Amino acid sequence: NAGVTQTPKFQVLKTGQSMTLQCAQDMNHNSMYWYRQDPGMGLRLIYYSASEGTTDKGEVPNGYNVSRLNKREFSLRLESAAPSQTSVYFCASSDDRPLEQYFGPGTRLTVT
Amino acid sequence: AQSVTQLGSHVSVSEGALVLLRCNYSSSVPPYLFWYVQYPNQGLQLLLKYTSAATLVKGINGFEAEFKKSETSFHLTKPSAHMSDAAEYFCAVSGLGYSTLTFGKGTMLLVSP
Repeated sequence: NAGVTQTPKFQVLKTGQSMTLQCAQDMNHNSMYWYRQDPGMGLRLIYYSASEGTTDKGEVPNGYNVSRLNKREFSLRLESAAPSQTSVYFCASSDDRPLEQYFGPGTRLTVT
Repeated sequence: AQSVTQLGSHVSVSEGALVLLRCNYSSSVPPYLFWYVQYPNQGLQLLLKYTSAATLVKGINGFEAEFKKSETSFHLTKPSAHMSDAAEYFCAVSGLGYSTLTFGKGTMLLVSP
């Protein structure tokens, strides 16, 4: 039982390049989330998916797209990376209420 | 809208001293409240949660928190700090519709010998 896994762990991109961050969970959870963590800002929600086939914007969705590929997998895509997207990205999953979320180990992304 | 305020970006205690990390929330619906801990270069781990049952909630590693509706607070405490408690702690409140969480900005706990 691996919980929530994320790939890659580290990535360096040049401005304008694209990439996809992958997330998978093996807990049969309905909901999945993408956050970014920046110093002094806490965690900010980018997108979430309350069930397979649905996605919704969070607090900071601009510059990102997501795909809920199936119940297990939820990917985050940066179409044209910008230095402002340098951050640590976390994926999480949860069952329904009370929303206890389980987090992956994170992806540290640097955009130069 | 739901929001969380964590007072103090850094809190320093000596080993063996009381730990008190403050969290105040704002919610337009009965809240679910959570404390998470993050060790360096790791993801977040759930410490404890309040889900409208007992107002005093016990979590892992000797931590507990008390839900006080009149004060809109959910402060985290531990009677005696240990060096291994040094980490960043996040308070979170359920969002409208209970489909998301809103996190505070975090409090870094520093423990000195």
